[in-house]
Amino acid sequence: DTAVSQTPKYLVTQMGNDKSIKCEQNLGHDTMYWYKQDSKKFLKIMFSYNNKELIINETVPNRFSPKSPDKAHLNLHINSLELGDSAVYFCASSQLAGYGYTFGSGTRLTVV
Amino acid sequence: ELKVEQNPLFLSMQEGKNYTIYCNYSTTSDRLYWYRQDPGKSLESLFVLLSNGAVKQEGRLMASLDTKARLSTLHITAAVHDLSATYFCAVDLSSGSARQLTFGSGTQLTVLP
Repeated sequence: DTAVSQTPKYLVTQMGNDKSIKCEQNLGHDTMYWYKQDSKKFLKIMFSYNNKELIINETVPNRFSPKSPDKAHLNLHINSLELGDSAVYFCASSQLAGYGYTFGSGTRLTVV
Repeated sequence: ELKVEQNPLFLSMQEGKNYTIYCNYSTTSDRLYWYRQDPGKSLESLFVLLSNGAVKQEGRLMASLDTKARLSTLHITAAVHDLSATYFCAVDLSSGSARQLTFGSGTQLTVLP
């Protein structure tokens, strides 16, 4: 049973489209994250949610809108996709009072 | 702002040789992680270092943490081809309900026969 699952695994779409990535964790963690890995493999946090509340919102274009319907789910909606949005997006979860992070398998987004 | 510097960025080494990857960070933290990433795959947790002087070993890899020097090392002993991957260090910082990992740039390791 996958601990942090993301869908879809691959996403190829045209510029200007709107797309969503979904993430679910079954670890009972209270905090979830979106990280972006660019073409140079650099990983940077985008957002974090703790118990459905947005906590960290890094400098990300407002075309990116996260939503957490409950503490086990964190989705990422991207409007008006641009070529520069092409990257791998990782969902992760952790327990705020503990240590360790569990990462999903990633979603490779390609904007053409 | 926390900065995490990892070096080298690229490392080619012969099988059987030893080498060390360095991870320096700019803000006090006593939680540091090492991850391995294979091409097209997710991040695999290798080590969790939770205190000054922590040393952990798994197979040919050994990680250490010096919180006073703000330095962690990942030492590779007698490298084998299966260790070829990208290795990341990441510093864990929390403040109230804000907690996040800040990653180094990664070290792409290639072990040559």
